[in-house]
This record gives sequence, C-alpha cells and structure tokens, in this order.
Amino acid sequence: ETAVFQTPNYHVTQVGNEVSFNCKQTLGHDTMYWYKQDSKKLLKIMFSYNNKQLIVNETVPRRFSPQSSDKAHLNLRIKSVEPEDSAVYLCASSYGEQYFGPGTRLTVL
Amino acid sequence: GQQVQQSPASLVLQEGENAELQCNFSSTATRLQWFYQRPGGSLVSLLSNPSGTKHTGRLTSTTVTKERRGSLHISSSQITDSGTYLCAMATGGNNKLTFGQGTVLSVIP
Repeated sequence: ETAVFQTPNYHVTQVGNEVSFNCKQTLGHDTMYWYKQDSKKLLKIMFSYNNKQLIVNETVPRRFSPQSSDKAHLNLRIKSVEPEDSAVYLCASSYGEQYFGPGTRLTVL
Repeated sequence: GQQVQQSPASLVLQEGENAELQCNFSSTATRLQWFYQRPGGSLVSLLSNPSGTKHTGRLTSTTVTKERRGSLHISSSQITDSGTYLCAMATGGNNKLTFGQGTVLSVIP
C-alpha cells in the first residue's frame, strides 16, 4: 500500500528551466529524504529533513533546494536544470526503516 | 567515504533454486535495509534489521554488524523474484541510507 506519494511521475524539460517535484507521506514520520538514482542505478542521498530542519546536504549543487511546509511534505526544486540532472528522484520517509515513493523521472533535453 | 559493496553483481537462477546475496559495508551501521526494485519500478522495502537474523516469507536477512557484513537469502526462487536487490546501510541519527550498486537477479523457468 503506497504511503509516500510523488508527483509528477515523469517530467521532460529543457536546459535552463526550473522544475519542482512534490512529495507527501501519510505515515506520520518525522524525517523525509530525497535521493537521486542515476543512469547506472546508483542511489545517492541528496537531502534529509527532520521537523522542517535540514539535516544533511550531500554536496548537492546549489541549484537544488528542498522545500517543506510541514513534516508530511518535502518538495524538491531545481533552478536552471542541466543535462546531468536527468535521473530518477526518489522521496522517502522514515521512523527507523525507510519507505520510498514511486519516483519522478526527469529528462533534461 | 562510506561504501556499500554488493555481490554478486548479477545472478541467474533456475526457478526453485535458492539465492544468497552479500553486502559488505565500510563503516559502522545502525542497521541494514534490503530493497527490491523492479525494472522501472519503485523501491520496496524487504527487511530491515540492526543485527541478527530476520525472516519474512521466503526471505531471510542476516546482519553481522561487528564484521560489517550482511546477507539476504531467498529460498525457492520464483520467476517473479527477478529484479534488482539493493542493500543499504543506515548511519547517523537521521538514518541516512548509503546504497550498494545492487544485485540483478534473473530467475528462469
């Protein structure tokens, strides 16, 4: 049963545009995350948020920024996308074990 | 930095055979979490345990934290088990996950 929701499923855009991805969890967890899965399928953490406080930012370019209105929502904004941003972006939440959303596939032309 | 190594990279089994997937990690982990990912699909959490052995259905996860290794045993494999199995170690107070490259399992009739 899905409890971490992401929109959109897919997004195609051009270099230099701004994009925003949404994530919502209904599990009541305190911590949410964004991961990036590249073309080699390796998953790497980008951000984690705990009660609206940024805990981890793993050398992510400054054009990426997480945005949270409450502990159930963590959105990801990318200003001025670049070709290497093409990937699947996965949102997760946890209270111990992590649960993932279905992902948003971004293609930058 | 923190690393997670999975082996084998790929595995082909005949239906009904057992599989043993290995995971070694480079630093102290609070727990290991195993995921399953179908081609083009989202991550499904399989098992998560800090140490010892945990079972669910045909899956058994064993984590030996002191030796920085873990394994996932799949008994009586089925064709529908085909996909990528990812091992991730959780570290830090925010349970940040560091993923391995995955094992691609193919179960054939």
